[in-house]
Amino acid sequence: AQSVTQPDIHITVSEGASLELRCNYSYGATPYLFWYVQSPGQGLQLLLKYFSGDTLVQGIKGFEAEFKRSQSSFNLRKPSVHWSDAAEYFCAVGPYSSASKIIFGSGTRLSIRP
Amino acid sequence: EAQVTQNPRYLITVTGKKLTVTCSQNMNHEYMSWYRQDPGLGLRQIYYSMNVEVTDKGDVPEGYKVSRKEKRNFPLILESPSPNQTSLYFCASSLLGERSYEQYFGPGTRLTVT
Repeated sequence: AQSVTQPDIHITVSEGASLELRCNYSYGATPYLFWYVQSPGQGLQLLLKYFSGDTLVQGIKGFEAEFKRSQSSFNLRKPSVHWSDAAEYFCAVGPYSSASKIIFGSGTRLSIRP
Repeated sequence: EAQVTQNPRYLITVTGKKLTVTCSQNMNHEYMSWYRQDPGLGLRQIYYSMNVEVTDKGDVPEGYKVSRKEKRNFPLILESPSPNQTSLYFCASSLLGERSYEQYFGPGTRLTVT
């Protein structure tokens, strides 16, 4: 079955510390992977996406993600978090060029410790 | 300003009372979609539309209806709401094809059915 797993429900990191949010997927075809961020009280915003090519992709707001096919993972990273990064983060997978079949993970809530 | 608007933002209603949540986008996007967000479940797609008069079911369509009579509008209709439809609802829009994952989300509608 196709699925996305975000094993961490809630993570707290100190401001300035590095961040890694985990994402594992199960998908039969070549996956199209991405991360969305949801700030409090707002809709989702696309952070970055990956389909092919370089397995390390850069996104907005200083985020990056690395695709590891052997581990079926697409973890999100940031070298130094800011208080404004506190939000919920969703990993998602789908077929190329068809957001109608997108599958979202359950999300990871990120809190920032001053 | 490019945006997706939803109304109302908050709604409390009673079981069985028909309601409509409106969604409008000003970006001339072909693709529009409705999601519901529930704790621990992430976002699940209710219905989507690839263009005017073209709609299709997502993963959780039961109890919902949609219409796409105009390109900019994609209302969500609950003919007879039930308590299990209490949720946070998001409308999203995008271009088709490769950019379909670059979805613009509305601010959300929090619905409570008593």
